[in-house]
Amino acid sequence: GAVVSQHPSWVICKSGTSVKIECRSLDFQATTMFWYRQFPKQSLMLMATSNEGSKATYEQGVEKDKFLINHASLTLSTLTVTSAHPEDSSFYICSAYGQGGLLSQPQHFGDGTRLSIL
Amino acid sequence: EDQVTQSPEALRLQEGESSSLNCSYTVSGLRGLFWYRQDPGKGPEFLFTLYSAGEEKEKERLKATLTKKESFLHITAPKPEDSATYLCAVRSTGNQFYFGTGTSLTVIP
Repeated sequence: GAVVSQHPSWVICKSGTSVKIECRSLDFQATTMFWYRQFPKQSLMLMATSNEGSKATYEQGVEKDKFLINHASLTLSTLTVTSAHPEDSSFYICSAYGQGGLLSQPQHFGDGTRLSIL
Repeated sequence: EDQVTQSPEALRLQEGESSSLNCSYTVSGLRGLFWYRQDPGKGPEFLFTLYSAGEEKEKERLKATLTKKESFLHITAPKPEDSATYLCAVRSTGNQFYFGTGTSLTVIP
């Protein structure tokens, strides 16, 4: 159980284009989803937290107009990198957790999206 | 200040050489401590949740333990396929998650 699917796994595009990444919770309802960025051999860097039906909360230094997040349903969140440039190239990972039960739920992660901007 | 610190940063073991990874934490109220495994080019894979001091969880060659200040991930007789980065995270009573920077484990055949 607790599977998170992220799509696409790899994308290459030209500078100036926009790229959308989808994150789906397949077998649970995700009240909260997170978007991370990870540079080679470094740990996860939280970009934003999104709750279903409300605006995302962005971490300091993350441009909300560059990284658009939509969490329109309990199973889907999307991250759109607008007008992407080479410096946006990175590994993007989403995660989700539900609110079931009395015990604290862990975050469950997707397999990440490798974004390369030429 | 709430934070999670993992040590060592990197660990090289011979196959069969048991060892432990450490996760020290300071958090204003612990709702849960989580261990993950991350392979290169993949998202972290959930391994264990620990909720209270004294709790232990096991899965194959891995055993996680928890005290009031730290958690250990014990690896017994590791195999090369156990090579990965192991991440520790805590969730506070304020619903904040804090991740450590991970321990990169290499098991040499």
